[in-house]
Amino acid sequence: GAVVSQHPSWVICKSGTSVKIECRSLDFQATTMFWYRQFPKQSLMLMATSNEGSKATYEQGVEKDKFLINHASLTLSTLTVTSAHPEDSSFYICSAIDRAKGTEAFFGQGTRLTVV
Amino acid sequence: GNSVTQMEGPVTLSEEAFLTINCTYTATGYPSLFWYVQYPGEGLQLLLKATKADDKGSNKGFEATYRKETTSFHLEKGSVQVSDSAVYFCALSGGSNYKLTFGKGTLLTVNP
Repeated sequence: GAVVSQHPSWVICKSGTSVKIECRSLDFQATTMFWYRQFPKQSLMLMATSNEGSKATYEQGVEKDKFLINHASLTLSTLTVTSAHPEDSSFYICSAIDRAKGTEAFFGQGTRLTVV
Repeated sequence: GNSVTQMEGPVTLSEEAFLTINCTYTATGYPSLFWYVQYPGEGLQLLLKATKADDKGSNKGFEATYRKETTSFHLEKGSVQVSDSAVYFCALSGGSNYKLTFGKGTLLTVNP
């Protein structure tokens, strides 16, 4: 299947700093990417949907000014957690699809963010 | 809204045992149903799917049947292996937006 690479796989940052997570589709065009957040022993919660070249659509309750999503190319989307706080510590996962081909969603391996 | 409820884990089995992980859903319309698997240290992979009532998805010895009357999509395997140890997620997708709603995941450990 297609490959989605997420980087970094883990990151530790200080409170108040910003962290950027990258999600790349390596061998297909990701017209749409999704960002999820997963708490321990909880399901994946969809944060936002981003279509290439347009603004992301955020789910209810997700702060768009805190979780900045950019999807400037067909192979790259980024999630920036701004002014991170300990409560932002979580596991973040991206997935990507090619809507034109109606492909299944391919997932990155996830990023463990710890804010200290 | 859409929701997925799956069996709480963890589930621990011996090799060659029979596996069932229950999954029920609530959705409007006619969703597609999925099982994803996450092996240790890896991302989620699609295990199988079904797109309409009575469809049976199957892959790697795993099966699940889309039961509209009971709103269920239970995952089964006749004989598990140690290599099946992973977290299994039931999910649904409704409409053309490709959004997935996940269950909480079930950790399966298979002992030799």
